[in-house]
Amino acid sequence: DAKTTQPPSMDCAEGRAANLPCNHSTISGNEYVYWYRQIHSQGPQYIIHGLKNNETNEMASLIITEDRKSSTLILPHATLRDTAVYYCIVRPRQGGSEKLVFGKGMKLTVNP
Amino acid sequence: EAQVTQNPRYLITVTGKKLTVTCSQNMNHEYMSWYRQDPGLGLRQIYYSMNVEVTDKGDVPEGYKVSRKEKRNFPLILESPSPNQTSLYFCASSFWNNLGYTFGSGTRLTVV
Repeated sequence: DAKTTQPPSMDCAEGRAANLPCNHSTISGNEYVYWYRQIHSQGPQYIIHGLKNNETNEMASLIITEDRKSSTLILPHATLRDTAVYYCIVRPRQGGSEKLVFGKGMKLTVNP
Repeated sequence: EAQVTQNPRYLITVTGKKLTVTCSQNMNHEYMSWYRQDPGLGLRQIYYSMNVEVTDKGDVPEGYKVSRKEKRNFPLILESPSPNQTSLYFCASSFWNNLGYTFGSGTRLTVV
């Protein structure tokens, strides 16, 4: 079962920041937060991951609360091409079955 | 270019006719996995492999076989396909220290 909760959908205006929330209240100490997205029926695309510190890369920023029970993925300047289903996943960095459990995700629609 | 290559992209077959979907990665990844994606059910793991000659069942392995004779290849075999295996299939790979999975472009299989 997915260990994260996301709203089913969200809209954002093109050019504005998109803040995608995720709750993971049962996260354990060795589990990382990963974000993926899937554009239409393409293969899921890795975006970013983090443990407890905020992370930033060329695609997005990840803000993890101090208690690690929730996080926010930030797309600083959303474009129409960012319209996709976004998945928030928690899992150990290594070890175990290496299974990614994808929940239902959240559909982000970027509007012109 | 670093990538996971699946073939074919589209396949229509008849019930009971054995088929193989190939997956190859050029990133020297240890870990490879197969997922299927169905409407309303999301992405579910079929089989995974930690390294050469090491494979294990995921959540929905019934009706599928895999092999990992070489590090780069992880074919998915349907010995006797049935209509309930009609789905969109994705192959994924990553390093053991799990910096983020790379997914293939998908194989849309229809069994009639």
